[in-house]
Amino acid sequence: QLQLQESGPGLVKPSETLSLTCTVSGGSISSSSYYWGWIRQPPGKGLEWMGSIYYSGSTYYNPSLKIRVTISVDTSKNQFSLKLTSVTAADTAVYYCARHRSYYDAFDIWGQGTMVTVSS
Amino acid sequence: EIVLTQSPGTLSLSPGERATLSCRASQSVSSSYLAWYQQKPGQAPRLLIYGASSRATGIPDRFSGSGSGTDFTLTISRLEPEDFAVYFCQQYGSSPWTFGQGTKVEIK
Repeated sequence: QLQLQESGPGLVKPSETLSLTCTVSGGSISSSSYYWGWIRQPPGKGLEWMGSIYYSGSTYYNPSLKIRVTISVDTSKNQFSLKLTSVTAADTAVYYCARHRSYYDAFDIWGQGTMVTVSS
Repeated sequence: EIVLTQSPGTLSLSPGERATLSCRASQSVSSSYLAWYQQKPGQAPRLLIYGASSRATGIPDRFSGSGSGTDFTLTISRLEPEDFAVYFCQQYGSSPWTFGQGTKVEIK
């Protein structure tokens, strides 16, 4: 069945760029109508949708992060990626990648999450 | 953006009891685009309910969702030991998609 797996550095310095990749296995990222998103969860807190991408490259961002977030897709590698610039300690969180079956749909498949700490 | 407020913050119940969780939106949620997730410690959220009342694949029928507009409810008819967890609601009818702060269902 479809699985998602996040990967990337677990420690990022303040003011630098956080970069994560989500690898999709058991299915194609190019399957029609599916969208691929990033959600984060600071320790002990709630969930925040960061943005989503369609396999064609169309992107949709949370306005609260829009100036710092870039999501891209590499269909040849069956991956999509997140870049978050100018990070601070407030960006310390577990970062999840997830699928939603259409633009207006819930996140039905999630990766296990990866913890990213922002610290010098 | 739509703010989702969940209540109560913590629900202390015994196995076999009924759990009723509330999610209230700051404005109407389009087309009942409201989902519920379960999260256990160290795990990713798991989709339980979408479209306010449709169970996701493999979700037991003791979980049910209801509501429309600004008021939504997740009901667990009889709590099983594996149901003690944190539950989040999420709206996906108006961007940005937003989540509630969560309700923890703990063993009494």
